[in-house]
Parts: sequence; C-alpha cells; structure tokens
Amino acid sequence: NAGVTQTPKFQVLKTGQSMTLQCAQDMNHEYMSWYRQDPGMGLRLIHYSVGAGITDQGEVPNGYNVSRSTTEDFPLRLLSAAPSQTSVYFCASSPSRDRGPHEQYFGPGTRLTVT
Amino acid sequence: AQSVAQPEDQVNVAEGNPLTVKCTYSVSGNPYLFWYVQYPNRGLQFLLKYITGDNLVKGSYGFEAEFNKSQTSFHLKKPSALVSDSALYFCAVRALGGGGYQKVTFGTGTKLQVIP
Repeated sequence: NAGVTQTPKFQVLKTGQSMTLQCAQDMNHEYMSWYRQDPGMGLRLIHYSVGAGITDQGEVPNGYNVSRSTTEDFPLRLLSAAPSQTSVYFCASSPSRDRGPHEQYFGPGTRLTVT
Repeated sequence: AQSVAQPEDQVNVAEGNPLTVKCTYSVSGNPYLFWYVQYPNRGLQFLLKYITGDNLVKGSYGFEAEFNKSQTSFHLKKPSALVSDSALYFCAVRALGGGGYQKVTFGTGTKLQVIP
C-alpha cells in the first residue's frame, strides 16, 4: 500500500488566494492530523480528526479549515493565504482514536510559499 | 497542557562514539513518549516509543531510549554513531486532549551531526 500521500509537493500562492492541500491514507487509520513545520518551532498541530465526521482544533488552527467525509481523506483548506502561512505541511495518520499509544505515519510533506 | 523540551538545537558526535539526544516532557497522567527521525526533504519516521514497563526501550536502527519518571526525561541513545544517523530528531508526547481524544505534542527538534 502507498501509506500516507500528499499533493501537491510544492505550491506557490499569492496573498489572498485559497487552496486545498490533499492528504490520503490507505491503511484504514481513524486518526489523522495536519502539522506545520517551521524552523526552530518544530511541528505544530493545526487540526486533527479521530474519524469520519469528527474534527478538532490543534494549537495553530487560525486560517485553516478541515473536514473528514471519509476515513481515507483529510484535506486542509487555506481560506485566504498569508505570508505567515509559508511553511512545510505534513499530514499524518495512526491506527486508532482510542487511548492506545499508536505511532503516527507521516506523508512526504507539501512545501508552501505565500508571496 | 502538555509540553516537550529538546534543550539542544544541535548535537555533534564523532562516528563510532555513543550519542545522546535529550528530551524532557510535562504531561498530566501517564505519558506515551515517542522518538521520530526526519531526513532532509522527507516526512518523519517512527523510531521507538515508551508505553509502560521497562524503562529502556529499543527501536529501529540500533537506537534506544531511557524513560526516567522522576526526571521526566526520555533521552534517545545509541552506543555507536554512524554518519548515516545524521538527521533531525523529534521527541513527542501523546496524551488525552479535550473531549477525551488523543493529542500529540512535538519538541522543536535536535539536529544530529555525526562527524566522520
């Protein structure tokens, strides 16, 4: 199986444009999440989902929307891009939403530049 | 609120020497602790995790980590470093968030440079 896939790999946006970062997994994982990675900041959680129809905010949710209509897909929408959203975005999934300590599987990332 | 600290931005070690990458955490209740590695232009890869039980956890590529509850630490170790171990290492803690769901918090990462 392909694991966690993300598209596109690279994207350049102008300020104010909107776009959707795609994430899909074929492992039937319930838990999916989006992170942004910035130098010196590590990974910060944007939004996460514990199953189809259930999403919640992470620590930096402003300016981003998510939805989870299927188990496989978890798209991240930028409503009106700002230069502060220039970052590398990672999607991750793990097997279960219960209290089990499951590790996460990461996609290859999307490098976004907002000019 | 849970948090993870990786006090060193970079660790340099000579090839063949033992290495340690430090991590301390703060969380309510019992922690689930993880180490991940990131090679350039790649996503993170899971190395090892602590759930409960033995304080010394063994993982991939010869890495191990020692859980110390009294010091709230989870340091990553390897007896003999390889040049190919050079990468960015992240410590993470997983605990219950709002609504009873799991939230994961990552440290800021430590760049490991193994010098030939």
